[in-house]
Amino acid sequence: DAGVIQSPRHEVTEMGQEVTLRCKPISGHNSLFWYRQTMMRGLELLIYFNNNVPIDDSGMPEDRFSAKMPNASFSTLKIQPSEPRDSAVYFCASSLAHDSSNQPQHFGDGTRLSIL
Amino acid sequence: GQQVMQIPQYQHVQEGEDFTTYCNSSTTLSNIQWYKQRPGGHPVFLIQLVKSGEVKKQKRLTFQFGEAKKNSSLHITATQTTDVGTYFCAGPDAGNMLTFGGGTRLMVKP
Repeated sequence: DAGVIQSPRHEVTEMGQEVTLRCKPISGHNSLFWYRQTMMRGLELLIYFNNNVPIDDSGMPEDRFSAKMPNASFSTLKIQPSEPRDSAVYFCASSLAHDSSNQPQHFGDGTRLSIL
Repeated sequence: GQQVMQIPQYQHVQEGEDFTTYCNSSTTLSNIQWYKQRPGGHPVFLIQLVKSGEVKKQKRLTFQFGEAKKNSSLHITATQTTDVGTYFCAGPDAGNMLTFGGGTRLMVKP
């Protein structure tokens, strides 16, 4: 069975450029999460969708960050304009819904983002 | 808000030694989950504990949920090099969102 699929796996770009990260959750999962992981701050939840609707975006660091989920099988996380401090590994995860805190989350392989 | 704290942050062990990581919460948890992240990899779900005092085993790994449901531990018996990675606990916060602890990074010397 396919797991959570993220693309690209690696992204290196110059500051000021727009970055778009993509995620395909596991089929049948209707909760989707975007996380950022750094050595300094650990694993941070950025935003959470339930049935394609953003439920909690309090973790989104700034207006430069935006996320969408146009349908049940696709989500994007966009950074515009990007800055060097955005360099991190970005994970997408999905789970069965109705009680997201009581369900295991399945993570994608992540996107390793470097902003020069 | 509620935080899930893990100790230690790092642990070096000799292969064959035991290892334990601890997870503590300031509030009662409805459940606690454990994940493992290999170096360069992504977090992978290991187990979920729900009941007070619950103990579950997976081969050399023993997971325990405290009687007050405020703490949990993961114990690995006779560590192997394949156990290397970061172990995270996660529990629901006040908003019923799963919150991850800071993780314990395990390093095993062969």
